[in-house]
Amino acid sequence: AQSVTQLDSHVSVSEGTPVLLRCNYSSSYSPSLFWYVQHPNKGLQLLLKYTSAATLVKGINGFEAEFKKSETSFHLTKPSAHMSDAAEYFCVVSDRRQGAQKLVFGQGTRLTINP
Amino acid sequence: DTAVSQTPKYLVTQMGNDKSIKCEQNLGHDTMYWYKQDSKKFLKIMFSYNNKELIINETVPNRFSPKSPDKAHLNLHINSLELGDSAVYFCASSQGGRGETQYFGPGTRLLVL
Repeated sequence: AQSVTQLDSHVSVSEGTPVLLRCNYSSSYSPSLFWYVQHPNKGLQLLLKYTSAATLVKGINGFEAEFKKSETSFHLTKPSAHMSDAAEYFCVVSDRRQGAQKLVFGQGTRLTINP
Repeated sequence: DTAVSQTPKYLVTQMGNDKSIKCEQNLGHDTMYWYKQDSKKFLKIMFSYNNKELIINETVPNRFSPKSPDKAHLNLHINSLELGDSAVYFCASSQGGRGETQYFGPGTRLLVL
């Protein structure tokens, strides 16, 4: 069975400083990994995904994540936070077997940006 | 041009009622999903349909019945609503499985009184 652990339920940073949201995964198969963002009272938007190509994945809005198999991690980073980044972030794992795809979500990390 | 749309956006109803939520996608995808997000924002898959065929059913009470009239639509009917059904329900779609990106609708906020 797959699982995802987001190590921080809440992260608070100042505008213009780096962002680090941590995610560890567990998967018996070669995983696909995603980061989704949910702004207040909105749906989920894909930030980036990893599917066994380059281990450093670049996403939208300046976010990127690095897949580290030895550490089973897929941490999300951004060099400089913007006020509009305040949202809930979900790390997600999916196995890549044929047939049904099931996304397994982490508990979410709420990112707060201080002016 | 909305890719995945859900109606209604908000739904307030009494315990014991029956209600439906509709989902439509115009992305040409062949797989659709229903997810439930609880009050702590935890998201869990409920159902998945591929080409109108049920392929995932995650031990959801049988009061919940998904229906897929065609590839572009996946509706969720809930009988005998309970307080614990209050949540945000998200529809999503993808082209096949195997790590393909799922695109989410805006969600339907259901409040059972």
